This record gives sequence, C-alpha cells and structure tokens, in this order.
Amino acid sequence: KQEVTQIPAALSVPEGENLVLNCSFTDSAIYNLQWFRQDPGKGLTSLLLIQSSQREQTSGRLNASLDKSSGRSTLYIAASQPGDSATYLCAVRPHSGAGSYQLTFGKGTKLSVIP
Amino acid sequence: DARVTQTPRHKVTEMGQEVTMRCQPILGHNTVFWYRQTMMQGLELLAYFRNRAPLDDSGMPKDRFSAEMPDATLATLKIQPSEPRDSAVYFCASGPGEGAVYEQYFGPGTRLTVT
Repeated sequence: KQEVTQIPAALSVPEGENLVLNCSFTDSAIYNLQWFRQDPGKGLTSLLLIQSSQREQTSGRLNASLDKSSGRSTLYIAASQPGDSATYLCAVRPHSGAGSYQLTFGKGTKLSVIP
Repeated sequence: DARVTQTPRHKVTEMGQEVTMRCQPILGHNTVFWYRQTMMQGLELLAYFRNRAPLDDSGMPKDRFSAEMPDATLATLKIQPSEPRDSAVYFCASGPGEGAVYEQYFGPGTRLTVT
C-alpha cells in the first residue's frame, strides 16, 4: 500500500526566504505526482503536476522536483511571501492496475510566512 | 471560470439524522471523486465515478454511506444515519478523464459536524 509522508508537518519562515518542502512515497511505481495548496476553509488548488518521466516542473516562484527511484519530491518556493502561507499537500497516482485513478495524499506541511 | 461547486458549505446535524451533500462537477468532466478530510487521517478517497458509473466505493462505510450521480451535472453523497465520527470536511473533485496529463479539480468542501 502506497504511503506518502510530508516532513515537516509545520514550517515558519521569515518573508523573503527560499524554502523547500519535502514529500516521500514508499512505492516508486507512480504515474505522476501532484503538489496542491490548501487555504484554511478552502478546497485544494493544484500547483504543479510532474509526470513520472519528468524530473521537475516550474511555475513562477515554484519548482517541484521528482526522484522516482528514491521515492522523493521537493517543492521549492523562492522569495517566500506572506500570501504563500497555506498547507501544501503532495499526492501520487499509481502507475497502473486497480486503483490507478486514485490519488494518495500526504498529510501536508503547514507553511507560515512571517512578514 | 469553470469550477467544482459543493452545497451546503457547512452542515451541523444531530446524530442519527440523514445528511446529503451535493456536488456539481466542471462541465465536460467525466470523472468525479468524493474525499473526506480529517486531522487524523488526512485526505481519504471515498468513491469514484467515471461517466456516472461508480467504479470504486471501497473507501466508504457501506452500511451508512451512499454515493450516486443522477446525471452528469450532479453527484450526491448521503450519510444515513450520521454519527459523530463522520464529522469531517467532504470534498468533491472532478477531472477530464484519463489521459497523458491527469488532474483533479477540487470543490471548496462541505464541513460536516455531527453532534
């Protein structure tokens, strides 16, 4: 059974710092990995999706990397801003077989960016 | 701006009462997912529909939960009878179906409190 772990559970940084959020998964047979952002009381917003054949994806100040063989992904946020404060979740989709549509989520990292 | 909508946004009910949550997927999406989010378990998949047919509801307690798609624009999740342990945020997500790049788009959630 796939397990997704995100460390740390919470992170507080001063504004302007670059930071890295970590995600690890136990089964490397994945189709893709997705990073989401969740604001309090809101749903999830997809930030980046990395296909299993890709090494990284970039969107603005965000860069996500994937090392499938070691079961790890990182989300790099450059020049953090208070508006980046949210919970960040990663989710993996299995490569094939029963349940290949199913995303398995980590429990998230709650990020606070202090002005 | 296409988005997934969910109603109600908040629901407080007493134990034993029936609860119905509704979801309108993004027009044209043929896959619909129901998730439950709690502090302890994180996000868990309850049910998955493709082209309105239920493909997997193994995540749902069968004795009290039911999920349906009466038509392509409406998905429902019903709990009868509700219990305090059902208190959680229930998310609906929709997607454009299988493909090279697959993403799920989440609604804002229904926060359920069972007293």
